[in-house]
Amino acid sequence: NFMLTQPHSVSESPGKTISISCTRSIGSIASNYVQWYQQRPGNSPTAVIYEDYRRPSGVPDRFSASIDSSSNSASLTISGLQPEDEADYYCQSYDSDNRVFGGGTKLTVL
Amino acid sequence: QVQLQESGPGLVKPSQTLSLTCTVSGASVKSSTYYWTWIRQPPGKGLEWIGFVYFTGTTKYNSSLKSRVSISVDTSKNHFSLKLNSVTAADTALYYCVRETYSNSRWFDTWGQGTLVTVSS
Repeated sequence: NFMLTQPHSVSESPGKTISISCTRSIGSIASNYVQWYQQRPGNSPTAVIYEDYRRPSGVPDRFSASIDSSSNSASLTISGLQPEDEADYYCQSYDSDNRVFGGGTKLTVL
Repeated sequence: QVQLQESGPGLVKPSQTLSLTCTVSGASVKSSTYYWTWIRQPPGKGLEWIGFVYFTGTTKYNSSLKSRVSISVDTSKNHFSLKLNSVTAADTALYYCVRETYSNSRWFDTWGQGTLVTVSS
């Protein structure tokens, strides 16, 4: 089984831009789509990105994502940080037999 | 509006079986475009996929739990269920039932609110 590795935490000031990486251990990051989920404190996770870069309805365009085959990683970028963006973010991918989550990144908006 | 609601005991004794049910409203578990999934989250930790059931009864499980887990679907009641046997304190977690879209990709588009299950004597 492959693993997805994320930084434990990231922090930035309101209005700034951050990126969170998600590196796949085995197999190509491009072989299966990557999703990103936001989990605010006390709430269930919700998807902010699916199929590598698509945004579900209602997710602001401040959220974007990409994959980089050279580093075998995916990235979530949040621009114009808002206080309500403070949350845990999880990347997720899959193969035919498994669904795998990254360990999560805690975003603090200072 | 699709809603998923978990139900079941919040306290289970060690070595016993954890049983949860997820009632689906606003969608049918007989849909061919969704997998019905369980995901858990130990307190203060990350998300762990447990497995899913398809409306046909086909299942897939996390290999780390495969020997102890069973997920089933009841199309007449529009719900699906989780059983995890021989539980230990390590199985204490918030358990989510989740709908996974089965189309071009696989992603979790609808989550229940989660139910906390504590394993303790």
